[in-house]
This record gives sequence, C-alpha cells and structure tokens, in this order.
Amino acid sequence: GIQVEQSPPDLILQEGANSTLRCNFSDSVNNLQWFHQNPWGQLINLFYIPSGTKQNGRLSATTVATERYSLLYISSSQTTDSGVYFCAVSGYSTLTFGKGTMLLVSP
Amino acid sequence: KAGVTQTPRYLIKTRGQQVTLSCSPISGHRSVSWYQQTPGQGLQFLFEYFSETQRNKGNFPGRFSGRQFSNSRSEMNVSTLELGDSALYLCASSLVGSQETQYFGPGTRLLVL
Repeated sequence: GIQVEQSPPDLILQEGANSTLRCNFSDSVNNLQWFHQNPWGQLINLFYIPSGTKQNGRLSATTVATERYSLLYISSSQTTDSGVYFCAVSGYSTLTFGKGTMLLVSP
Repeated sequence: KAGVTQTPRYLIKTRGQQVTLSCSPISGHRSVSWYQQTPGQGLQFLFEYFSETQRNKGNFPGRFSGRQFSNSRSEMNVSTLELGDSALYLCASSLVGSQETQYFGPGTRLLVL
C-alpha cells in the first residue's frame, strides 16, 4: 500500500511564528487531505488537495503530485492551532494516514 | 447539514465482552469508513461500507465486524474484547468513497479493562 511520511514529528512555536509541515507519499494518489485533530480527538478537515494550491485564512497547502509531496503552511500561528496535524492519502482504495505532526504553540 | 455523529462517545468494557458502536453519516452520504486510533499504531483503516456492502477491509482480526443499513447508518462490532482494543474509534462519511473528501465524526473512546 501507499506509504505516508510526515515531518517534523513535533514542532514547538511561539505565537505569531510561521511553520511548514511536510507530507511525502510513495505512490500516485487521487485523494490527499490535511486534518487537524483537536484535543478531544475530532479530526477537522483543513484541505482536500490531491494537487495544486489552496488557501483558507492563515492556512495554505500545496501538493506537487508529480514529486509526491504536500506542504501545509501555517502563518501567524495562534495557541488554538495546537494539536496534531495529519496528512492522509488514497489511491483507488482506502485512506492511509501519516503519523502526524504534533504542534504546540505557546503564548 | 448535521455532521457525522457517533454513539456512544465513551465506553468502558471488560475483557471478553462485546461492543457495538454506531455511526450516522452526513445526510446523502453513502460511504462510511471506520478507523481505529491508538498511540502505538496511529490511525488504521478498519473497513468501508457503501450501499450496505463492505467494499474494503483493513488488516484486523475477524472479531471486528460491521454492517451498514439502508439509511447509510453503520455499526461496528467487536467481540471478545482484548485490552489492546482500547482505542479511539472514528467513523468517516463521504458521498461515494475514499477518493473524495472524508468527513469524520467525534469518535468513540473505548476502554477495555
């Protein structure tokens, strides 16, 4: 199956800083999603982005499908951005998740 | 539209018991997938149902089973619970399958004692 690697595994930022999270995948994909898991376990959709670039407020994402990676940018981070960020991909079958990046934003 | 709902939210069971978890997808969504999340293994796919048929199955023992009803609601059952089954069980729904946006419910936290 498709392998998904996320980096860095952990990230600590001060409020207001910017960050870039990376997701590498081993095969071509038809679906790539970024999620934020809040402290209560809820997975919140951030982006559906199998290719191209999207922006939503302080967050943006870029997927370069031909090079098999995706980047999630967080600008002007806030304490509420803390949590775990997951990248998940699927080819023609099921969604495979990376191990996530745990982000802690301190005031 | 209401989001994906899961019941119960929390559950405590003892080894050897069985448990049934329920998931109601977003209205109009016909695909429901189940995932298990543990600290050691991360998020792992259990199975996917579409139009009352199991379409995909992950690498879990036969103690894990599921079904989907005609209204797209889904249940998963775990029989003969083991300590290692303690996990967050997440359900996701989509219109037709894993190649499109998946929407997750809040999860059911299962603790097996």
